[in-house]
Amino acid sequence: LAKTTQPISMDSYEGQEVNITCSHNNIATNDYITWYQQFPSQGPRFIIQGYKTKVTNEVASLFIPADRKSSTLSLPRVSLSDTAVYYCLVGDPGTASKLTFGTGTRLQVTL
Amino acid sequence: EPEVTQTPSHQVTQMGQEVILRCVPISNHLYFYWYRQILGQKVEFLVSFYNNEISEKSEIFDDQFSVERPDGSNFTLKIRSTKLEDSAMYFCASSSRGDLAGEVTDTQYFGPGTRLTVL
Repeated sequence: LAKTTQPISMDSYEGQEVNITCSHNNIATNDYITWYQQFPSQGPRFIIQGYKTKVTNEVASLFIPADRKSSTLSLPRVSLSDTAVYYCLVGDPGTASKLTFGTGTRLQVTL
Repeated sequence: EPEVTQTPSHQVTQMGQEVILRCVPISNHLYFYWYRQILGQKVEFLVSFYNNEISEKSEIFDDQFSVERPDGSNFTLKIRSTKLEDSAMYFCASSSRGDLAGEVTDTQYFGPGTRLTVL
């Protein structure tokens, strides 16, 4: 199972772009990178998933370099409501296997 | 947008009592999971379930735990004899291995959780 490393915490002001980087040096060929968001006392919420290059949806972008040993979640123009813990997970979607959560990155957005 | 639902949102029980936590996965999903999160700690995997049987379980999921899909829509987690250390948020998740632009993906969608408090 590929181990992931991400910053424990980050601070940002409202309206700024936030980039959270995750390293996963031993990512396997079949692994995808998935990011979840979790608010206190709520279930993790899927944000975005990708395999390579760049993926964008209505809430975030995911940048994955060619070697796939890291990835960056980009949140454009954060608001106070984006204050949450963000988890980077790596795994093979073809196996429908368990997700292994780390400690995540605690993002604090202030005015 | 379809979502996973869980009941009850909060369950308080006495040590040694049995509890059943209920989940309604997203309707066309085939893979079901239970996770738990003790206050202030990581989300931990408990068990996965597919085709009416357990496909994977963690060491946390001992003989006190069982899962069932009794009626084709609900997915339940039973704890036979609760202990103080079972106090946690329990999250149900479901997924459907699908095709995203020709590539297999498996996005797990989580419910809001049940807060279990064992006294």
